[in-house]
Amino acid sequence: QSALTQPRSVSGSPGQSVTISCTGTSNNVGRYNYVSWYQQYPGRAPKLLIFDVNKRPSGVPDRFSGSKSGNTASLTIAGLQAEDEADYYCCSYAVTFGTGTQVTVL
Amino acid sequence: EGQLVESGGGLVQPGESLRLSCAASGFTFSNSWMNWVRQAPGKGLEWLANVNQHGTVINYVDSVKGRFTISRDNSQNSLYLQMNSLRAEDSAVYYCATDKAYSTFDLWGRGTLVTVSS
Repeated sequence: QSALTQPRSVSGSPGQSVTISCTGTSNNVGRYNYVSWYQQYPGRAPKLLIFDVNKRPSGVPDRFSGSKSGNTASLTIAGLQAEDEADYYCCSYAVTFGTGTQVTVL
Repeated sequence: EGQLVESGGGLVQPGESLRLSCAASGFTFSNSWMNWVRQAPGKGLEWLANVNQHGTVINYVDSVKGRFTISRDNSQNSLYLQMNSLRAEDSAVYYCATDKAYSTFDLWGRGTLVTVSS
């Protein structure tokens, strides 16, 4: 399976919104409404942020939202905070991860 | 609250074997699909293998087929990864994770580091 394509890095100032794209194909992202997003701090395990394209697990702030159009899924972080500085990975059924995006808070 | 704890990592030479374990607690292990995911230093996440609740359905990524074997023991609430013929490119942090459905990994362990080097 080829990895889903994400931008290497995105950045924004506190309070701004940033969007991370996750581009796949008609065989993964485009076919299934099963896209999940993970947040990972250095040296830590990934944490589930979004599942089924746009659903948030209990405890995840509503600043994090997900969407999908065609073969591309997106994660938007609204009202960027310093604690959001981390790596983010998308994943599509069946078990294809994205390349990862480093979010920097300026 | 559920918890996963990996163990068994370490430094091995190319061609050697290693068996990783993942101990589960705080949730019904026997109801969960289980996965191994790894992350090489400075790299992204790579899914390796999964096994269904009963151990009767198993899938692997092509790069580890024939070398790695995933298994589980529901009586011990444990997941395993037997890794044979290890290569330098297998050096990574290995995570076990539950899959709530359709490749949604909702619980992760802290990982165990495997280093393959002569």
